[in-house]
Amino acid sequence: GAVVSQHPSWVICKSGTSVKIECRSLDFQATTMFWYRQFPKQSLMLMATSNEGSKATYEQGVEKDKFLINHASLTLSTLTVTSAHPEDSSFYICSARGTGIDSNEKLFFGSGTQLSVL
Amino acid sequence: QKEVEQDPGPLSVPEGAIVSLNCTYSNSAFQYFMWYRQYSRKGPELLMYTYSSGNKEDGRFTAQVDKSSKYISLFIRDSQPSDSATYLCAMKGAGSYQLTFGKGTKLSVIP
Repeated sequence: GAVVSQHPSWVICKSGTSVKIECRSLDFQATTMFWYRQFPKQSLMLMATSNEGSKATYEQGVEKDKFLINHASLTLSTLTVTSAHPEDSSFYICSARGTGIDSNEKLFFGSGTQLSVL
Repeated sequence: QKEVEQDPGPLSVPEGAIVSLNCTYSNSAFQYFMWYRQYSRKGPELLMYTYSSGNKEDGRFTAQVDKSSKYISLFIRDSQPSDSATYLCAMKGAGSYQLTFGKGTKLSVIP
C-alpha cells in the first residue's frame, strides 16, 4: 500500500504555544488529505478535509482559526494547533488519497501524533 | 442512533481461535466498507476493502457484507497474538472520500 509519513509522533508542549504536525505522502501525490482526532477509547473524528492548493473544509464544531491546515503541495499537508490548551491533548492522525495508486477509493493513514499540552 | 455501531469490547480469545468482529450501520448510502487494524498509538492500517455484498477473503481474514441487513463482519482465522489490536470498521458513500468510523473493537489474543 501507499505510504503516508506523519511527524512528529509525540509532542509535549506548554499551554499557549503552537504545535505543527506534518503529513507527507511518500510514494504518491495526495490530492486530498484528511485530519482526524482520536480521544482515548473513541473512534476517529474527522476534523477537516484539504485539497491541494485550496482552503480546508472544516467539520462542524472544529475551530478553523485554532486548527490551521495548509496543503500547499501534492505531498505535504500541515496541521498547526495554535495556542494549544490541555483540552487539545489528543491523538491526531492524517490520511491521504491520491492518483496513481492502486485505487483512489482507498485512504492511507499516517502513524499519528500524540499531543500532550501541559 | 449513531450511523455506525461497533461493540468496543474488549474481546479476549485464545490463540488459534476464530474471531468475529461486527458493525451495523443505518445509512443506506454507504456503499464501500473497510476494516482497519490499529495498534496502540499508531495510525490505522487498511486490512480489507469491499464494496459489494458477500464475502472477500485475504489470507486469514474474511470480510463479509450484508447490505440488506446493514451488517458487516470481519473474521480472523487461526488468530495470533500479533493480531492483538483495535479493529475499526469504516464506510463511505459512492463518490465520497469521507469515512465514517465505528468506535473500534479491542482484541486480545492470548498465547
